[in-house]
Amino acid sequence: EAAVTQSPRNKVAVTGGKVTLSCNQTNNHNNMYWYRQDTGHGLRLIHYSYGAGSTEKGDIPDGYKASRPSQENFSLILELATPSQTSVYFCASGDGLGANYAEQFFGPGTRLTVL
Amino acid sequence: AQKVTQTQTSISVVEKTTVTMDCVYETRDSSYFLFWYKQTASGEIVFLIRQDSYKKENATVGHYSLNFQKPKSSIGLIITATQIEDSAVYFCAMREGGTGGYKVVFGSGTRLLVSP
Repeated sequence: EAAVTQSPRNKVAVTGGKVTLSCNQTNNHNNMYWYRQDTGHGLRLIHYSYGAGSTEKGDIPDGYKASRPSQENFSLILELATPSQTSVYFCASGDGLGANYAEQFFGPGTRLTVL
Repeated sequence: AQKVTQTQTSISVVEKTTVTMDCVYETRDSSYFLFWYKQTASGEIVFLIRQDSYKKENATVGHYSLNFQKPKSSIGLIITATQIEDSAVYFCAMREGGTGGYKVVFGSGTRLLVSP
């Protein structure tokens, strides 16, 4: 079964500081995603990747950068954290192309508080 | 741009009854994939069921089934014989089928409460 892990699980950051959220998957999936979850908004896509070295903007990329240095790892970077980025962040992975696209497997989430 | 809308914020039912959750989507693609996910109280998000746009038959997995109405851009989730443990938040999601992107977008979710 696919395993997606995230670190840290909880993070308190200061406004203006740099925050890096890490995600690791062990199922050799090509596609990885970062979402944030806020009450009333569901899961909103920040960045995604379809393979090592690639990153694509999602629906709400402003204030975030992403890095995919390897098949297994996908990071979300907040260069200058702001209180509005306080949220729960989920990483997900999935595989397949076109009609063979499979479902996503989600990590446990990271709760980020920016003070 | 693709968009997924769930208008039901929350639903309450008595266990062993049937519940339907609504989801409508917007896409310009002729080929796309629709998913339903469940988020439990612990925060865990798990895949439930999937419908491919080119398939006419409604998907069924266990006590989950879909009501796919393509002309209405609608994909409802039906849970029959609900159980207490079905209490959760349910998300609808869509991926367009083009070769260029692997973007998956979600609706805002519907909270289901199943009571004895």
